[in-house]
Amino acid sequence: DSGVTQTPKHLITATGQRVTLRCSPRSGDLSVYWYQQSLDQGLQFLIQYYNGEERAKGNILERFSAQQFPDLHSELNLSSLELGDSALYFCASSGTPPGEQYFGPGTRLTVT
Amino acid sequence: QKEVEQDPGPLSVPEGAIVSLNCTYSNSAFQYFMWYRQYSRKGPELLMYTYSSGNKEDGRFTAQVDKSSKYISLFIRDSQPSDSATYLCAMSAHPTGTASKLTFGTGTRLQVTL
Repeated sequence: DSGVTQTPKHLITATGQRVTLRCSPRSGDLSVYWYQQSLDQGLQFLIQYYNGEERAKGNILERFSAQQFPDLHSELNLSSLELGDSALYFCASSGTPPGEQYFGPGTRLTVT
Repeated sequence: QKEVEQDPGPLSVPEGAIVSLNCTYSNSAFQYFMWYRQYSRKGPELLMYTYSSGNKEDGRFTAQVDKSSKYISLFIRDSQPSDSATYLCAMSAHPTGTASKLTFGTGTRLQVTL
């Protein structure tokens, strides 16, 4: 158990809908990262937040957004969903000293 | 060309064998190198974390980094059936905690047979 929690575990929704994925980092970790894992693309970095502020951005679609709240939990919002958005979404966290990123169990999103 | 290349396998070895997993990369800015193990439908689990070139050993696992060749390896000694999983290499140009991201290889699927 990495100490990173993600909810929900599974999500099935229809095209055009909007969903919110939630992540709680390990106790004391200030950084939260979001990754997407699909069969054809592997693990892709989406976005990083550090203590509430956006720090780094990957190839995140404009339909996707994220935020980190004062209690350090983070939410990833996916809107206007398309079939190609079906994937595993992972959250990771890291603290100090800088170094390792620890991953949560993931949310499996299926868009039908 | 991808920034990080990793043979997808599958790699099948008998129990007790030494396993060698490798990645090559093209971005010379990468300084931090990690190996993750991922069981089916689970989150990646950090196995090894190394900075710059050199070796690091932890139990049955040894990580090697050769920055001059842009090549990293993970060796698993006395492999066990429980080692059967997908192994992902990951790299970063910055220490995590500041602006950073991990760039992953596609993963090598390992099967350790009895």
